[in-house]
Amino acid sequence: GNSVTQMEGPVTLSEEAFLTINCTYTATGYPSLFWYVQYPGEGLQLLLKATKADDKGSNKGFEATYRKETTSFHLEKGSVQVSDSAVYFCALSDSDTGNQFYFGTGTSLTVIP
Amino acid sequence: EAGVAQSPRYKIIEKRQSVAFWCNPISGHATLYWYQQILGQGPKLLIQFQNNGVVDDSQLPKDRFSAERLKGVDSTLKIQPAKLEDSAVYLCASSLALAGGTDTQYFGPGTRLTVL
Repeated sequence: GNSVTQMEGPVTLSEEAFLTINCTYTATGYPSLFWYVQYPGEGLQLLLKATKADDKGSNKGFEATYRKETTSFHLEKGSVQVSDSAVYFCALSDSDTGNQFYFGTGTSLTVIP
Repeated sequence: EAGVAQSPRYKIIEKRQSVAFWCNPISGHATLYWYQQILGQGPKLLIQFQNNGVVDDSQLPKDRFSAERLKGVDSTLKIQPAKLEDSAVYLCASSLALAGGTDTQYFGPGTRLTVL
């Protein structure tokens, strides 16, 4: 079946530090992969996505590369800011299952000045 | 472009009471989803609509939860009667995707339900 495994949190970093949040997946078909971000008190917002192997999604300084050989979609940012403090969710969508999304458990990130 | 709208934003009820949530998706989006997000967990799909038909409701506790999407636009999710374990954020999302495709889902702000 389909599933997403995400790095356990919480993660606390100093401003300008390098961020990596690990995400691996299991899928029966050829999924699209997503990172969503949830700021305190708000709904989920799409951060970036990749729809096929070797694609790189990027937005707001965040990047993630779709690695089929390692079934991974790790999120990275070179220099985090306080405003990046949020919960990050990795997700997959598989056309074999009618665009149903499968979410990881989320990783809480706190960036301190 | 207006996003996904949900109301109310917060609701507190006693167990065994009933509650209803409303969602208005992005205009033109054929597919609508309801998710339950328990504190500290990722969203779990409850039901997926394609226009006004149900595509997947396999994880909906049908003995107490019901949902409808009359006319293929707005949707309501109802819980009757509520239990303590229903305390969660209920998220509505929509996408352009027709069945068989993959597309980005856009989420509303959610309704935070507390059952006492």
